[in-house]
Amino acid sequence: DSGVTQTPKHLITATGQRVTLRCSPRSGDLSVYWYQQSLDQGLQFLIQYYNGEERAKGNILERFSAQQFPDLHSELNLSSLELGDSALYFCASSPPNGGGRADTQYFGPGTRLTVL
Amino acid sequence: AQKVTQAQTEISVVEKEDVTLDCVYETRDTTYYLFWYKQPPSGELVFLIRRNSFDEQNEISGRYSWNFQKSTSSFNFTITASQVVDSAVYFCALRGNQGGKLIFGQGTELSVKP
Repeated sequence: DSGVTQTPKHLITATGQRVTLRCSPRSGDLSVYWYQQSLDQGLQFLIQYYNGEERAKGNILERFSAQQFPDLHSELNLSSLELGDSALYFCASSPPNGGGRADTQYFGPGTRLTVL
Repeated sequence: AQKVTQAQTEISVVEKEDVTLDCVYETRDTTYYLFWYKQPPSGELVFLIRRNSFDEQNEISGRYSWNFQKSTSSFNFTITASQVVDSAVYFCALRGNQGGKLIFGQGTELSVKP
């Protein structure tokens, strides 16, 4: 158990819908990262937050957005869902040393999103 | 550009065999960090090791060992006396010095048969 929690574990929804994925980082970690794992794209970085502020952005679609709250939990919002958004979404967190740049990322169990 | 290549898509071995998973990386950063993660059939990503670019010392942890060679930009992972529980997808990842994102290889699926 990495200490990172993600809910829900599974999510099944229809095209055009909007969903919210939730992540709680390990105690004391300030950085939260979101990744998408799909069969065709592999593991892709989406976005990073550090202590409530956006720190880095990857190939995140405009239909996707995220935020990190004062209690450091994070939410990833996916809207206007398409079949191709079906994937495993991981959240990871890392400790505060070095401003969240160089430290190990510990991953949550993931949320499996199925868009029908 | 930064890139991680795991040329072996699938490896199948019989229990107790040794197996090496290859990882080759590309980066222009002089300081960078390399990682290995394990993804068992249950789906979670489990951290195995982190190596800093300025530390080329190889590491051994039980049946696991890692060989980091900057000259060939490789960070290979060897499992000695493999066990069925080692069956998983293994990912090599790179983090540069400019941000926290990990760049993952495509993964190597290891199947250890009894």
